[in-house]
Amino acid sequence: AQSVSQHNHHVILSEAASLELGCNYSYGGTVNLFWYVQYPGQHLQLLLKYFSGDPLVKGIKGFEAEFIKSKFSFNLRKPSVQWSDTAEYFCAVNSHNNAGNMLTFGGGTRLMVKP
Amino acid sequence: DTAVSQTPKYLVTQMGNDKSIKCEQNLGHDTMYWYKQDSKKFLKIMFSYNNKELIINETVPNRFSPKSPDKAHLNLHINSLELGDSAVYFCASSQEVSGIQYFGAGTRLSVL
Repeated sequence: AQSVSQHNHHVILSEAASLELGCNYSYGGTVNLFWYVQYPGQHLQLLLKYFSGDPLVKGIKGFEAEFIKSKFSFNLRKPSVQWSDTAEYFCAVNSHNNAGNMLTFGGGTRLMVKP
Repeated sequence: DTAVSQTPKYLVTQMGNDKSIKCEQNLGHDTMYWYKQDSKKFLKIMFSYNNKELIINETVPNRFSPKSPDKAHLNLHINSLELGDSAVYFCASSQEVSGIQYFGAGTRLSVL
């Protein structure tokens, strides 16, 4: 079974600091990779996705993520965070062999950005 | 216009009751899902459903059952509610090929 690990459970940064959130998955086959964000009291929204092609993908709000196949990783980055980035961030994986297209989520990383 | 809508937003009920949460999507998607998010924000898939098949996460108790009157709706029915069922339940939908899932705003269920 596939699994997803997010090693940072809580991250606190000051505005303008750089962000990198780790995500590792365990599955040997072809995968689709996602980062979702959940702002306080809101639903999950897609930040970015990787299906194939360029392993460096750019998403909304200045976020990007790099797929490193050899490391089974899909880390999320942002050069300069803002107070409005305070949210919970979830990495998710969907394998091509996964019947029903069900996503497996990591445990989430709570980001707090201090003004 | 809300793409994936859930009702109710909040649901407070007693142990042992039976309740339903409704979900509707206006995106024309093929597949709908239910997720459970616990108090530690951990998200877990419960069901995946399209007009061809229902796929159930084996860890989901059979007190939970999805019901789909049509392609745009997937309701979640829960029998004999337990304290441990308290959580936020999210509905989602996707077009099978794209794999991108769109989430509803969630239903916060509190079982007393």
